[in-house]
Amino acid sequence: GAVVSQHPSRVICKSGTSVKIECRSLDFQATTMFWYRQFPKQSLMLMATSNEGSKATYEQGVEKDKFLINHASLTLSTLTVTSAHPEDSSFYICSAVAASSETQYFGPGTRLLVL
Amino acid sequence: GQQLNQSPQSMFIQEGEDVSMNCTSSSIFNTWLWYKQDPGEGPVLLIALYKAGELTSNGRLTAQFGITRKDSFLNISASIPSDVGIYFCAGPQGAQKLVFGQGTRLTINP
Repeated sequence: GAVVSQHPSRVICKSGTSVKIECRSLDFQATTMFWYRQFPKQSLMLMATSNEGSKATYEQGVEKDKFLINHASLTLSTLTVTSAHPEDSSFYICSAVAASSETQYFGPGTRLLVL
Repeated sequence: GQQLNQSPQSMFIQEGEDVSMNCTSSSIFNTWLWYKQDPGEGPVLLIALYKAGELTSNGRLTAQFGITRKDSFLNISASIPSDVGIYFCAGPQGAQKLVFGQGTRLTINP
């Protein structure tokens, strides 16, 4: 149990375009989902906390208008990177917390390459 | 915010050797988590520690919650090739949020 999926697993896009990444909890309901970014050889950095039915909470230094987060249901959160630029190229990982737990279950990640 | 310092940053060992890594913090944590990340994948929880002094095993992995609540250790015995990856410690930071250490990259020579 406690499986989290992400789609797509990797995406290549042109500079200036927008990219949407989906995070789904497959076998549990997640009231809270987190979005992380990981640059090569670095640790996971929290970008934002996504709560179902409410606005996301962004970490300091993360532009909310650039990284749009929607948590429309208890099993789905989406991260849209708007007007992507090469410096946005990174590994984006989501995690989900079940309503009855505090354990974060991580997705497999989405590798974004902006040309 | 709270920071976690992991050491060593990388390890190069021979298959069969034991591995030891640690994580320290300047502030107290009530929970310590150890994750492993394989290349191109998300982290997977290995061991969770909830009590100071607690020693918990998961197969060949053993982790300890330091008595001061400011450190934790992860040991891997008799390493095998599939142990290769990056090991992260993590602790809670606010409501359900986690802060991660910098990671220890483990490489195993067959």
